Amino acid sequence: DAGVTQSPTHLIKTRGQQVTLRCSPKSGHDTVSWYQQALGQGPQFIFQYYEEEERQRGNFPDRFSGHQFPNYSSELNVNALLLGDSALYLCASSFGQETQYFGPGTRLLVL
Amino acid sequence: EDQVTQSPEALRLQEGESSSLNCSYTVSGLRGLFWYRQDPGKGPEFLFTLYSAGEEKEKERLKATLTKKESFLHITAPKPEDSATYLCAVQATDSWGKLQFGAGTQVVVTP
Repeated sequence: DAGVTQSPTHLIKTRGQQVTLRCSPKSGHDTVSWYQQALGQGPQFIFQYYEEEERQRGNFPDRFSGHQFPNYSSELNVNALLLGDSALYLCASSFGQETQYFGPGTRLLVL
Repeated sequence: EDQVTQSPEALRLQEGESSSLNCSYTVSGLRGLFWYRQDPGKGPEFLFTLYSAGEEKEKERLKATLTKKESFLHITAPKPEDSATYLCAVQATDSWGKLQFGAGTQVVVTP
């Protein structure tokens, strides 16, 4: 049984560019959450998708947007990248509001 | 606003030297408290979910307990492979699914 998968594993972008990160949930899960983790800190909640809609959003600007597809997979888009967007981006999947299981993350470096 | 504070920030143990990690929280209403383990550069790995005060969960050398204000993760007779960052997170009853994380406790177990 495959767990949560994310792609790509690493990404290097320059300021002002746009990036798309992808996530496939664990089999049987219908909800996807995205988190940003800076070095030495705990993950910070970006938003959560269920039934292809954004259900809850954390304190992140509109430059961060997402999408959930009918097969429950999800994308995170970040526009107008800033140096401060450099972080590990984590996707977590769950069945509704039950326990969230995390993927390996995408390491984004903005130069 | 929901808050999670973990202590200590870092812990160095000799193999076999038992210890406890603390997670203090404030939340409007607790849906669940979660413990995760995270290895460097990887996604958090789920350990335990606790739902109500007095509840305890065990897995190998780890035991998690919960009161109305805090949770403890007890590590009994640790081995070097228990070295990791341990993250605590709370999910509020008025939250659709957001996990509020602490900054984590970095544990190093030396032979």
